[in-house]
Amino acid sequence: DAGVIQSPRHEVTEMGQEVTLRCKPISGHDYLFWYRQTMMRGLELLIYFNNNVPIDDSGMPEDRFSAKMPNASFSTLKIQPSEPRDSAVYFCASSYRQGYEQYFGPGTRLTVT
Amino acid sequence: QQQVKQSPQSLIVQKGGISIINCAYENTAFDYFPWYQQFPGKGPALLIAIRPDVSEKKEGRFTISFNKSAKQFSLHIMDSQPGDSATYFCAASNPGSQGNLIFGKGTKLSVKP
Repeated sequence: DAGVIQSPRHEVTEMGQEVTLRCKPISGHDYLFWYRQTMMRGLELLIYFNNNVPIDDSGMPEDRFSAKMPNASFSTLKIQPSEPRDSAVYFCASSYRQGYEQYFGPGTRLTVT
Repeated sequence: QQQVKQSPQSLIVQKGGISIINCAYENTAFDYFPWYQQFPGKGPALLIAIRPDVSEKKEGRFTISFNKSAKQFSLHIMDSQPGDSATYFCAASNPGSQGNLIFGKGTKLSVKP
């Protein structure tokens, strides 16, 4: 398996623009997680899905953030409108059992100017 | 009670030395304790994990020591090498209660040649 795939790897956008981050989890994994990583706050769990259903989105910072998982092999994290404070590295991870090993993608480095 | 406190934030060790990173938790229901390793530009990857029924687990130069009564666990890297320079995250979870991994803030390790 190719592991968790994320795209794009780097995204530079202007404040106010819509940003869409994409993730393909490992086949057979029922859990998908979106994280945000910054120097100040470390790894923050934004939202997670089980069998394509959002289970807990309490980590989503604002209504500007939304996530979807239309099928078992694809998820998106959307920020609309983007702000400079959204600049961070966003990771997608998947797992076949909740609470055990999570496999992380390479991340998307987002810069909002 | 869900927090995992990790120290130090950063660590510099000479090649061949021992690197020690510590983590503490409050939730006694946690029963899975992994360590993740993250290289620059990459996502975190599982390094080693322990369950509380053992006090120590060793894999090559990496050892987890677990102290259940003190609610602490630590990562020891023996004969540290420049290639070990990375950020290390401890984590904890209670898989039996469908709990997700709770990550520490991370420790940036630099091994000097």
